[in-house]
Amino acid sequence: AQSVTQLDSHVSVSEGTPVLLRCNYSSSYSPSLFWYVQHPNKGLQLLLKYTSAATLVKGINGFEAEFKKSETSFHLTKPSAHMSDAAEYFCVVLLYTGTASKLTFGTGTRLQVTL
Amino acid sequence: GAGVSQSPSNKVTEKGKDVELRCDPISGHTALYWYRQSLGQGLEFLIYFQGNSAPDKSGLPSDRFSAERTGGSVSTLTIQRTQQEDSAVYLCASSLRFQRGKGGELFFGEGSRLTVL
Repeated sequence: AQSVTQLDSHVSVSEGTPVLLRCNYSSSYSPSLFWYVQHPNKGLQLLLKYTSAATLVKGINGFEAEFKKSETSFHLTKPSAHMSDAAEYFCVVLLYTGTASKLTFGTGTRLQVTL
Repeated sequence: GAGVSQSPSNKVTEKGKDVELRCDPISGHTALYWYRQSLGQGLEFLIYFQGNSAPDKSGLPSDRFSAERTGGSVSTLTIQRTQQEDSAVYLCASSLRFQRGKGGELFFGEGSRLTVL
């Protein structure tokens, strides 16, 4: 079985300060992991993905995430928040068993950016 | 097209009516997913198509919900006898077939917002 837990349903930061959105997963196999962003009334957009290559993954808009197997974590970070980063963020785990793939979405973290 | 296209973008219907939601995936993507997102909630998996394989329907909430994918491309999600609790945004996504080390990421459409009065 696999699961993904986003530890914070809501995070508020000031513009220009660092962002940390936490994600922990459980999986019996080596997973692929993704972060998506959803702006209001929009679909989901891929921010970055981890697929067993480099453990530090850089994505769009200055975001990055580090895969830590020992901690079963894939936290999303950004050094300096911008007002346009305010959105909902979803952590996703993909398990591939060789015959089928299964995606599991976290419940989302709403990021608020204040002046 | 360049991205996943969904129609209609907004649909208001009366309780008891049937609705059809359409998804046109990215050309060449063999996998197609439908998800439901209720107000302030996460994503609820509905159904998954992969190539010519039998679809994974395990997420459909009731037998009022059905989906088909014709010719391995366009998909239609049908909700019969709509109820107020069906009100949500229905998101479609497509992807290439997953291969270890690459692929698997979903490309989403902007959704169809369904309101059942």
